[in-house]
Amino acid sequence: QSALTQPASVSGSPGQSITISCTGTSSDIGDHNYVSWYQQHPGKAPKLMIYEVTNRPSGVSDRFSGSKSGNTASLTISGLQAEDEADYYCCSYTTTSAVGVFGIGTKVTVL
Amino acid sequence: EVQLVQSGAEVKKPGESLKISCKGSGYRFASYWIAWVRQMPGRGLECMGIVYPGDSDTIYNPSFEGQVIFSADRSISTVYLQWTRLQASDSAIYYCARQPWQGSPPDTWGQGTLVTVSS
Repeated sequence: QSALTQPASVSGSPGQSITISCTGTSSDIGDHNYVSWYQQHPGKAPKLMIYEVTNRPSGVSDRFSGSKSGNTASLTISGLQAEDEADYYCCSYTTTSAVGVFGIGTKVTVL
Repeated sequence: EVQLVQSGAEVKKPGESLKISCKGSGYRFASYWIAWVRQMPGRGLECMGIVYPGDSDTIYNPSFEGQVIFSADRSISTVYLQWTRLQASDSAIYYCARQPWQGSPPDTWGQGTLVTVSS
């Protein structure tokens, strides 16, 4: 299956809001609400930030929020902070594969 | 606390075999699928496939079928990723990750195992 499409990079200044998109198809993102987002700092394992499109695990800042429209899911980071600088990946259940599909990843830079 | 703990970094030569492990704790290990995820240097995440510790059922991403072997030992809450003949292109970080249900995005990740294959 093809990877989900994400912008290669997104940047913003401290305090600003940024949004990362994740575009799939009607077989994955467009078919259901099983989309997650992960944050990965250099040399670290991915960390779950959002699950089932909009839900935050316990301990994740409410500055992170998720949404979906059609075949595109989005992650918004509000009040951008230096510690948010990392790579972000989306992941979706897909009806065409039992193993799921990841996005290509987005590097977030805090200016 | 749900945790996945992976075995340590490995340095191997091309043609050698390797088996790395992932041990779960804090939940009913046999009841959740475990995904193996590859991250090549400077690249993104790729799901290689999944294994169900309850009955050792496996599903491979077609891109990795025949290249690796998944296995499980539910008695010690551990799953394995194995290569019979490593290639330099297998150099990567390998993560195990728990899927709440088959095919779902993972909710818990291991710390990763760095595999370096070099002559």
